[in-house]
Amino acid sequence: DTAVSQTPKYLVTQMGNDKSIKCEQNLGHDTMYWYKQDSKKFLKIMFSYNNKELIINETVPNRFSPKSPDKAHLNLHINSLELGDSAVYFCASSQGGRSWINTEAFFGQGTRLTVV
Amino acid sequence: GENVEQHPSTLSVQEGDSAVIKCTYSDSASNYFPWYKQELGKGPQLIIDIRSNVGEKKDQRIAVTLNKTAKHFSLHITETQPEDSAVYFCAAPIYNQGGKLIFGQGTELSVKP
Repeated sequence: DTAVSQTPKYLVTQMGNDKSIKCEQNLGHDTMYWYKQDSKKFLKIMFSYNNKELIINETVPNRFSPKSPDKAHLNLHINSLELGDSAVYFCASSQGGRSWINTEAFFGQGTRLTVV
Repeated sequence: GENVEQHPSTLSVQEGDSAVIKCTYSDSASNYFPWYKQELGKGPQLIIDIRSNVGEKKDQRIAVTLNKTAKHFSLHITETQPEDSAVYFCAAPIYNQGGKLIFGQGTELSVKP
């Protein structure tokens, strides 16, 4: 029973297209995240939601838009895809409240996005 | 800006040897220091964490030490096994930026049988 699941696992698309990555967690956590991992394995936070409220919005192009329909889901929509968007995108979740800062983050398996 | 520095970027050891990975952080308000292991094709997974009220924590073959004065913490793996081969990340929250978790650059550990 997967704790944090994201789909699809692989996504190959052409430049200029719009695509979405979906994420769901069944841990009852209030906080969810999107991270980007580049080709050098560097992990960088993009967004964080706590109970459907955006709390971290890093300096990412506004082509990236997160959407949280409820606290168990955090989807990532990307418009006008560019070659530089190719990376592995990870969804994660952790417990809610202000204690979310100091608790374990559970990661999904990742979505490898390749823009051609 | 605030950051987390991790060294070395790659580490190769013989099976049975020990491995040490070191991290330094800049936000003096940080008080939680997790270590994650990422196996090939998978997401990072927490293996051990330490809070600032202790200087060392151990869990079987892995241990983490923390020096708050020097703002550095280390991961120690003893009696390494081939299945320890993975990328390891340290992390620390940056409180003046909403508490976001900043990851180190990662260490690719290779344990040779």
